[in-house]
Amino acid sequence: IAGITQAPTSQILAAGRRMTLRCTQDMRHNAMYWYRQDLGLGLRLIHYSNTAGTTGKGEVPDGYSVSRANTDDFPLTLASAVPSQTSVYFCASSERAHDLPFFGPGTRLTVL
Amino acid sequence: GQNIDQPTEMTATEGAIVQINCTYQTSGFNGLFWYQQHAGEAPTFLSYNVLDGLEEKGRFSSFLSRSKGYSYLLLKELQMKDSASYLCAVRDRDYKLSFGAGTTVTVRA
Repeated sequence: IAGITQAPTSQILAAGRRMTLRCTQDMRHNAMYWYRQDLGLGLRLIHYSNTAGTTGKGEVPDGYSVSRANTDDFPLTLASAVPSQTSVYFCASSERAHDLPFFGPGTRLTVL
Repeated sequence: GQNIDQPTEMTATEGAIVQINCTYQTSGFNGLFWYQQHAGEAPTFLSYNVLDGLEEKGRFSSFLSRSKGYSYLLLKELQMKDSASYLCAVRDRDYKLSFGAGTTVTVRA
């Protein structure tokens, strides 16, 4: 089934630990995105990639890094997790940059 | 950047109509979008307005007034499955997409 898969579905993490959230899409979309969703704040863009090999910073990039080695995968890494990074993380993709994003199922991350 | 406001919560009865308002301030405008998000799930695209007026899609309609920085999503003949959050999103002149905090609609029998 075409779409986006994210792993893990949920995770509880100790502060200071390193964590990578995985995202894979099989739609051959060029652009991919990472959003975080927090109650009362809506979806905020963390990082994006318009095409394989390129990445850019979104609205809230601090504490996160991404890579885009190929078209399908777009992992998000928290180098040293902090409690304020507790959130639901959505990976998304679109056929081209500036097209509307299609969202993955999300990862619920709790940092203690 | 964008400033997008929508009510936090709304409650309505099955079979009724609910109107969710969204006001925005943006640097340039390249479209307004509505997404539906059921609890614990991903947002899914509902509707798109780029010109003023009403766009109808079955039981859902979306209206836009660019001069007023205003949109609404109208849900008719409400069903229990319409209980969800509805996100208003605006795309600016640079095609940056920004989301409102969402409106949680609860449909009661």
